[in-house]
Amino acid sequence: DAGVIQSPRHEVTEMGQEVTLRCKPISGHNSLFWYRQTMMRGLELLIYFNNNVPIDDSGMPEDRFSAKMPNASFSTLKIQPSEPRDSAVYFCASANGRTYNEQFFGPGTRLTVL
Amino acid sequence: AQSVAQPEDQVNVAEGNPLTVKCTYSVSGNPYLFWYVQYPNRGLQFLLKYITGDNLVKGSYGFEAEFNKSQTSFHLKKPSALVSDSALYFCAVSRKGSNYQLIWGAGTKLIIKP
Repeated sequence: DAGVIQSPRHEVTEMGQEVTLRCKPISGHNSLFWYRQTMMRGLELLIYFNNNVPIDDSGMPEDRFSAKMPNASFSTLKIQPSEPRDSAVYFCASANGRTYNEQFFGPGTRLTVL
Repeated sequence: AQSVAQPEDQVNVAEGNPLTVKCTYSVSGNPYLFWYVQYPNRGLQFLLKYITGDNLVKGSYGFEAEFNKSQTSFHLKKPSALVSDSALYFCAVSRKGSNYQLIWGAGTKLIIKP
């Protein structure tokens, strides 16, 4: 199993540009989570999907952030326009849909907004 | 409100000594408890979980954790620390009916000195 796949691994962009982060969950997993990690705020849940449907997006910081899951094997997190304070490591994780099942994390995308 | 506390930002242990990383939680109902480890520049990796049954749970890399309901704690332990155990450790909790969400602790940096 390839695990959770995220791309790109690193992204450097300028303020105001659109950024799209991509995630492929583990096959057969029906829950998908987007997290953001910074030194200041630690690990924050942004949004999670179950069976491709967004369940809770209360962690999405602003309208500049949006996430989609068009099918069971792909999700995107988009930031438009990006700001320097969006610089962080963004993780995608998947699980097979029970509250007691562990989440499997991807390697993360390190985003730097200049 | 549900919460997880990791009271120590950092724990320093000499190699070969036992280690403990503390975690306490607050949740209504029966908790599902997790420990994850994050090595530098990597995503979080699942270590172990408590769902029900034996209060002592064994996990990866020789780690174990003890669920203590009366003290609402789930401390992570290892009898003999290795330098390679140096990493960031996260405790998390969920419960039945919480829609798959994990509530995360702030993380504890574990440093094992040779």
